Parts: sequence; structure tokens; C-alpha cells
Amino acid sequence: DTGVSQNPRHKITKRGQNVTFRCDPISEHNRLYWYRQTLGQGPEFLTYFQNEAQLEKSRLLSDRFSAERPKGSFSTLEIQRTEQGDSAMYLCASSRLRTGGTEAFFGQGTRLTVV
Amino acid sequence: TQLLEQSPQFLSIQEGENLTVYCNSSSVFSSLQWYRQEPGEGPVLLVTVVTGGEVKKLKRLTFQFGDARKDSSLHITAAQPGDTGLYLCAGAQGGKLIFGQGTELSVKP
Repeated sequence: DTGVSQNPRHKITKRGQNVTFRCDPISEHNRLYWYRQTLGQGPEFLTYFQNEAQLEKSRLLSDRFSAERPKGSFSTLEIQRTEQGDSAMYLCASSRLRTGGTEAFFGQGTRLTVV
Repeated sequence: TQLLEQSPQFLSIQEGENLTVYCNSSSVFSSLQWYRQEPGEGPVLLVTVVTGGEVKKLKRLTFQFGDARKDSSLHITAAQPGDTGLYLCAGAQGGKLIFGQGTELSVKP
């Protein structure tokens, strides 16, 4: 399978715990994005990388959220001291820098439930 | 503030009917994408439009990009139950995609 891979698919955690999600993008894609989606809404932009550089981070993103892409390949998204409001689907996508439009391909997401 | 407004938010129709979903913005986008998403899964890319006025067809789906590259529409002809899902438009701004809130389509047999 050469698509975007996210792990785990589901995560249930207690409030206050830290969680980390992993995303493996399509191998030749140099851009990687993280989004958050709640039920019935469109994905909300969190941050994106070009190679290993984090180029933009949403102003709405709490300091409890951090993302890395250390070697320009896979990426991790960590949420510290989780809160119930963090419960959502976390989506990762990747794309190739090209002319003719940004086409992002998504993974299946990680469903986070904070109890 | 939603940069991309989709309408309608919900649509329930009978098999065989036609429908149009709209995606509007006051911002100009370098390109616009349409995705379809099923429950518990990630969005799946349907089409990318780049040029103002561009029309693309994908079987029974017709996508149009507005002349000013601020809006787009998705028209489905003779809808089928398999078309049921969340339809999302996304505009490219800078290096990222901005999504609309989605249109939840239900096609009843």
C-alpha cells in the first residue's frame, strides 16, 4: 500500500494524559499536513511541513500541540495534557510541490477520544 | 469565520434525482479541490480545478470553477445511493488547503 498511513486508527485516553500520533506520507511527497475534524464539520488546518521544515502553524492551535517531521519523511503529532475538547478525528495528508494545483491525499485518520 | 461556505449543508434526495452543491468564497484560490468522505475514513480526492471557468467531468459528476476563481460547484446527475457521503471543497491558499464545512448528501433508494 503506497497511500498515506496513520497510526493508531483509534486512541482512547484519560484527560491529562499525553498522546502521540504517527503519519507516514506517500514516499515522493515533500509536503505533509495535519488537520483536525469534528463530527459534521470540514477538516480544520493545524500545521504543515515542507520536507522537515514546519512552515505554518494555525493560530488556533494550543501550545499543548506539537508536530515534528525530523527527517522529512514521517511525522508525529503530540498532544500534551489532553482535554475532552481534544476529542476529534486527526487527519494527515501529503502532497507533492507542483504546478497545476495542490492535490493532497489523506490517510484514514486517528480517532481520539478523551474520557 | 469560514473562508469557504458550502451550501446546502444537508441534502436528502431520492435515487435518480439531480443535485448541485455550491462552494463560495470572497477569497481567490490558486486551485480548488473536491473531496468525498465516508464515516470514519479520510477524505478522498475527486478532482482539482485550476483555471477560472474550467469544467471537469467525472462520470455523473460535473465540477466547475468560477471565472474569478472564488467559487465552484459540483453537479451530480441521476444520483445513486453509492453517492451518499460528505462532500468537501478545499481551496489552496499559500501552501495549505482551507476546507468548507461540507455538504452531507443522502441518496435514498
